[in-house]
Amino acid sequence: GEDVEQSLFLSVREGDSSVINCTYTDSSSTYLYWYKQEPGAGLQLLTYIFSNMDMKQDQRLTVLLNKKDKHLSLRIADTQTGDSAIYFCADLYNQGGKLIFGQGTELSVKP
Amino acid sequence: DAGVIQSPRHEVTEMGQEVTLRCKPISGHNSLFWYRQTMMRGLELLIYFNNNVPIDDSGMPEDRFSAKMPNASFSTLKIQPSEPRDSAVYFCASTSTQGTEAFFGQGTRLTVV
Repeated sequence: GEDVEQSLFLSVREGDSSVINCTYTDSSSTYLYWYKQEPGAGLQLLTYIFSNMDMKQDQRLTVLLNKKDKHLSLRIADTQTGDSAIYFCADLYNQGGKLIFGQGTELSVKP
Repeated sequence: DAGVIQSPRHEVTEMGQEVTLRCKPISGHNSLFWYRQTMMRGLELLIYFNNNVPIDDSGMPEDRFSAKMPNASFSTLKIQPSEPRDSAVYFCASTSTQGTEAFFGQGTRLTVV
């Protein structure tokens, strides 16, 4: 079935790099997304990667995709306290265009 | 474009009442998704439409929930009758055929007392 899994919590110190991991099950995925949700707010699209790519960099964000292992990661360089939020991985399944989310990883950045 | 617009932002209603949530997707987007977010269950996909047609409603909890998309610029999610366990934040999202960017509305926080 369709499933996206993430670890629930990550704590880092300000200035360090954060790596948030995600695994998915469907082999026909087309796009994979990372969203950020701050308390009481909606989901903000951070970045996405097409399934035939293995890396995408956007300023402090680096997305790595291992299609063989169905593993996606988001690296945030020089993590700041303002990066504290819940990060969701999402998978756009090719068949039917269904967008499925992981449980979210709560990132806590300590000064 | 103003993005995905949801209304109301907050809704408090009494158990048994009918609740209607509204969504206006981004112009030109042809897929629309309704999600429910709770602490216990995270983000659940309730239903999604492609070109105004419901494609998968397997996530709709029960018959009390219904969704419509009468045209490309408007969708509703209705709960009748509402129950306290329906309290959650309901999000609408839209994306284009290519699916390169899926954008969310700000959500409707529903409280059923």
